[in-house]
Amino acid sequence: AQSVTQLGSHVSVSEGALVLLRCNYSSSVPPYLFWYVQYPNQGLQLLLKYTSAATLVKGINGFEAEFKKSETSFHLTKPSAHMSDAAEYLCAVSYRNKLVFGAGTILRVKS
Amino acid sequence: EAQVTQNPRYLITVTGKKLTVTCSQNMNHEYMSWYRQDPGLGLRQIYYSMNVEVTDKGDVPEGYKVSRKEKRNFPLILESPSPNQTSLYFCASSELAGLHPIYNEQFFGPGTRLTVL
Repeated sequence: AQSVTQLGSHVSVSEGALVLLRCNYSSSVPPYLFWYVQYPNQGLQLLLKYTSAATLVKGINGFEAEFKKSETSFHLTKPSAHMSDAAEYLCAVSYRNKLVFGAGTILRVKS
Repeated sequence: EAQVTQNPRYLITVTGKKLTVTCSQNMNHEYMSWYRQDPGLGLRQIYYSMNVEVTDKGDVPEGYKVSRKEKRNFPLILESPSPNQTSLYFCASSELAGLHPIYNEQFFGPGTRLTVL
């Protein structure tokens, strides 16, 4: 079975600083990987997805993620954090007919 | 506007009182799914449906039922709710993509916060 591990349930950065949210997955086959963002009291919105076309994936709102097969990782980054980035970020891997999610990382942005 | 709607958004009920949470999508998606979200556990899939009259269990199906009589609707039924079903519930839908339906983005509803006393 597939699983997803997100290191750090809470991450705090200063406005303008680099954002790095970690995601590691277990998969016996080439995976499809996703990052979703969840703003307070809202549903989830797709940030970006990896489907084997390119290892560096660019998403919305300036986020990107790099797929590293050797490390089974798909970490999410943004060069400069903005206050509006404060939200919960969820990494997910596709497995058969479902998405398997990590536990999520809450990003706090300090002014 | 393309969207997934859920009703109700908030519900407080008592143990054993049957309830239904409705989910509807207007994007003609074949695939629909229900998740529950609990602190520290992320989202866990309850049930999913590949098309009308085709449903299957996810990771945490105990205590839930679903039906898919129409393509646009996928209600979640709790026949006898218990306090451990207190959670935030999300419905989602997506297009199918051949043999790998989860290749495509899933569109999520706004969530239903359920409290069972």
